[in-house]
Amino acid sequence: QAQLVESGGGVVQPGSSLRLSCAASGFTFSAYGIYWVRQAPGKGLEWVTAISYDARNEYYADSVKGRFTISRDNFKNTVYLQMNSLRPEDTAVYFCAKPPDSSSLRSGMDVWGQGTTVTVSS
Amino acid sequence: QSALTQPPSASGSPGQSVTISCTGTSSDVGGYAYVSWYQQHPGKAPKLMIYEVSKRPSGVPDRFSGSKSGNTASLTVSGLQGEDEADYYCASYAGIKYFYVFGTGTKVTVL
Repeated sequence: QAQLVESGGGVVQPGSSLRLSCAASGFTFSAYGIYWVRQAPGKGLEWVTAISYDARNEYYADSVKGRFTISRDNFKNTVYLQMNSLRPEDTAVYFCAKPPDSSSLRSGMDVWGQGTTVTVSS
Repeated sequence: QSALTQPPSASGSPGQSVTISCTGTSSDVGGYAYVSWYQQHPGKAPKLMIYEVSKRPSGVPDRFSGSKSGNTASLTVSGLQGEDEADYYCASYAGIKYFYVFGTGTKVTVL
C-alpha cells in the first residue's frame, strides 16, 4: 500500500540549513502532488508547502516563504524540503503527505509519513 | 492567513454523538468544497477521516460524517467509542494565494 517515509531531521543552530527527504512507495508517485505539514511541540498542525505532480507548481506558507524550497525527483520517488535560515520557531515534527486524488492538491491528505523531527536551538 | 477556528475541547459519553465546528471565511471554508478532517492520537501521524466536506476514505467508519454551511464546517462522530478520543483538526483549501490552512484543533474526550 501507499507509504511515505521522511528522513533528514536533526538538531541544528539558528541560521543553519537542513534538507528533509520524503521517500514514496506503493503508488504512482509521479501522478501525485505532495504536501509538507509540521507540528511544533504541543501545538497544532501547520501546512508548510506543497508541490504539484510535475513540479511545475510550488506553494508556500508565508512563515517559510523565501527560506524553504520544495522539490521532487520523480525518478527517485522522492520529495525534498530544503530549509535555510532556520529559526527556533521552525522546531517541529515535519510530515509529508499525499492527496487522495491524483488530479488535485486541494482535497486533503490521505497518506502521511511518520514524521521527522527538526530542532533549531543554540 | 489565520488558522480556522475550532473549539478547544468537546466530550461525550460512549454511544453519544459529538459535533466539532470549524469556522473560516469566504476565502477558505466558505469558498470551496475542499474541507478535510483529521484524527490524531498522541505521538502518531494524523489520519484522514473526511475529505471534500463529506467524503469518507475507505476504512473510516460511517460513524464519522462531515458537512458545511456557509463559512462553517462540522464533523460529527456518532456512537462515540473509546478509540475516538483524540485530537481532531479541520483543514481547507484557501485559494492560490494562501493555498491551505488548518484549524486550531479540538481535543475530544470520551467520558
